[in-house]
Amino acid sequence: GAVVSQHPSRVICKSGTSVKIECRSLDFQATTMFWYRQFPKQSLMLMATSNEGSKATYEQGVEKDKFLINHASLTLSTLTVTSAHPEDSSFYICSAHRQFSGANVLTFGAGSRLTVL
Amino acid sequence: EDKVVQSPLSLVVHEGDTVTLNCSYEVTNFRSLLWYKQEKKAPTFLFMLTSSGIEKKSGRLSSILDKKELFSILNITATQTGDSAVYLCAVDVKAAGNKLTFGGGTRVLVKP
Repeated sequence: GAVVSQHPSRVICKSGTSVKIECRSLDFQATTMFWYRQFPKQSLMLMATSNEGSKATYEQGVEKDKFLINHASLTLSTLTVTSAHPEDSSFYICSAHRQFSGANVLTFGAGSRLTVL
Repeated sequence: EDKVVQSPLSLVVHEGDTVTLNCSYEVTNFRSLLWYKQEKKAPTFLFMLTSSGIEKKSGRLSSILDKKELFSILNITATQTGDSAVYLCAVDVKAAGNKLTFGGGTRVLVKP
């Protein structure tokens, strides 16, 4: 149980285009999902908290107009990198929150590697 | 500000060795501490610790939490090359809206 599917796993795009990444919880409902960015050999950096039916909460320093998040259903959150530039190239990971034995556990998607040319 | 610090940053061992990874934290309203293993892609869940002094075991991996001294350790015995990964420690706090605060990770390389 507790599977999170993230798609696409790898995407290459031209500078100036927009890229959408999907995160789906396959066998549970997730009112809250999280989006992270990870640079090589670094830890996960939380970008934003995606809340079903409401606006996402962005971490300090993350541009909300640049990284659009939509959480339209209990099983799907999307991250759109708008007008992508080479510095946006990174590994993006989503996670979905669920309760496990009274504590919060995150189940992660497999990640999406974005390369902007 | 909540803080999670892992040490060492990285280590190299040979198959069969035992490794001990450390995670210390300074947070308010601690709820639980979690360990994840990250290989090439996304982190996979290893352990969740909520109570002091109770060891959690899964095969060759074990972990324990000390809530008085605010740290946890992850042990891997009889290491294998497949244990090579980044090990992430994260803390869940009650007021953080389900967010986890991650440490910087420890990169483990197990050589044959």
